Amino acid sequence: NAGVTQTPKFQVLKTGQSMTLQCAQDMNHNSMYWYRQDPGMGLRLIYYSASEGTTDKGEVPNGYNVSRLNKREFSLRLESAAPSQTSVYFCASSPDRVVATEAFFGQGTRLTVV
Amino acid sequence: DQQVKQNSPSLSVQEGRISILNCDYTNSMFDYFLWYKKYPAEGPTFLISISSIKDKNEDGRFTVFLNKSAKHLSLHIVPSQPGDSAVYFCAASAYGSEKLVFGKGTKLTVNP
Repeated sequence: NAGVTQTPKFQVLKTGQSMTLQCAQDMNHNSMYWYRQDPGMGLRLIYYSASEGTTDKGEVPNGYNVSRLNKREFSLRLESAAPSQTSVYFCASSPDRVVATEAFFGQGTRLTVV
Repeated sequence: DQQVKQNSPSLSVQEGRISILNCDYTNSMFDYFLWYKKYPAEGPTFLISISSIKDKNEDGRFTVFLNKSAKHLSLHIVPSQPGDSAVYFCAASAYGSEKLVFGKGTKLTVNP
């Protein structure tokens, strides 16, 4: 029972490089989310997708793009990485698309931009 | 503007005693509240939730209380165990919004 799977778990990028963080869930959930966690800042929403084919900005979307490829997969892309994007990234999914109820999180991707 | 506030960055209690974690919110449209627990190097895991139509929800050792007039909720853990040591996040959502808004977290340490 995998739940929410994120790849990779760790990544080091040089400033200006691009990369895509992958996320897949096997719970048939409608909503998916990308959060970043920084020390003292809690979990901040980057982007979310209430259903396949829709995406919306969260609190901190600048520098990121997302793609809801299908119901299972929601990817986060950094086009030109900056040191300020050094963070731990969490993908999450939730069954409901009308109200955010219990969200299930992946293990996280620890990204360092040097 | 922070809509969900956890004003205590850390809390330390003795094993067997009660842990009380607090959370305040500013958005009166929030009607669903959740607590998550997070261990180092793991993703947050759902702990307990409460709807705004209730003022208390209990699940084993965990109880969440909601005071809508004060826009305040609290998580009680009784009795506290060393395995409860983790960061606890308060989160909230509003009906019709797909967004889940988190507080900054409180690190709980339960000493044996």
